[in-house]
Amino acid sequence: AQSVAQPEDQVNVAEGNPLTVKCTYSVSGNPYLFWYVQYPNRGLQFLLKYITGDNLVKGSYGFEAEFNKSQTSFHLKKPSALVSDSALYFCAVSGGYNTDKLIFGTGTRLQVFP
Amino acid sequence: DTAVSQTPKYLVTQMGNDKSIKCEQNLGHDTMYWYKQDSKKFLKIMFSYNNKELIINETVPNRFSPKSPDKAHLNLHINSLELGDSAVYFCASSQGTGAEKLFFGSGTQLSVL
Repeated sequence: AQSVAQPEDQVNVAEGNPLTVKCTYSVSGNPYLFWYVQYPNRGLQFLLKYITGDNLVKGSYGFEAEFNKSQTSFHLKKPSALVSDSALYFCAVSGGYNTDKLIFGTGTRLQVFP
Repeated sequence: DTAVSQTPKYLVTQMGNDKSIKCEQNLGHDTMYWYKQDSKKFLKIMFSYNNKELIINETVPNRFSPKSPDKAHLNLHINSLELGDSAVYFCASSQGTGAEKLFFGSGTQLSVL
């Protein structure tokens, strides 16, 4: 069965510093990996995805993520954090033998301090 | 023009009641979903329809019944509401499944008293 883990409940970073939000996955076969962001009282918004090809994926709002097959990871990164990046971030995986179902991680709250 | 819209935004009701949440998407997508987000923000898929056909039905109590009158609409009916049903319910849609990104509605906050 596919699964995804976000080991950190919260990540704190100062504005202007680089940020990383961690994600590891487990799936039989090739994974489809996604990052979504949720602002308060809103639905989730798509940030980026990895399906195949270049391991470094660039997405919305200056975010990027790197697919690492050997470490089964798909960490979200941004070179310089903004206060407005503060939100709840979800990693998600589908693929393998069940491409229909997108499984979400438990979410990581990113807090960017001025 | 809202892409995925769900109503109502808030729903407060008594235990034992029956309620419905409606969802509509104007993106022309083939696939629609219902997700439940609990108080800890854990997000879990409940149902998925592709061209009005049920393709995912997770281990959800049969008090929950989705209905898709056409591929632009996916409604969720809940019978005999229980305290544990309190959560935020999100509708979403995508063009196809698997590798496609999801577009989410803004959620329905259900509170069962």
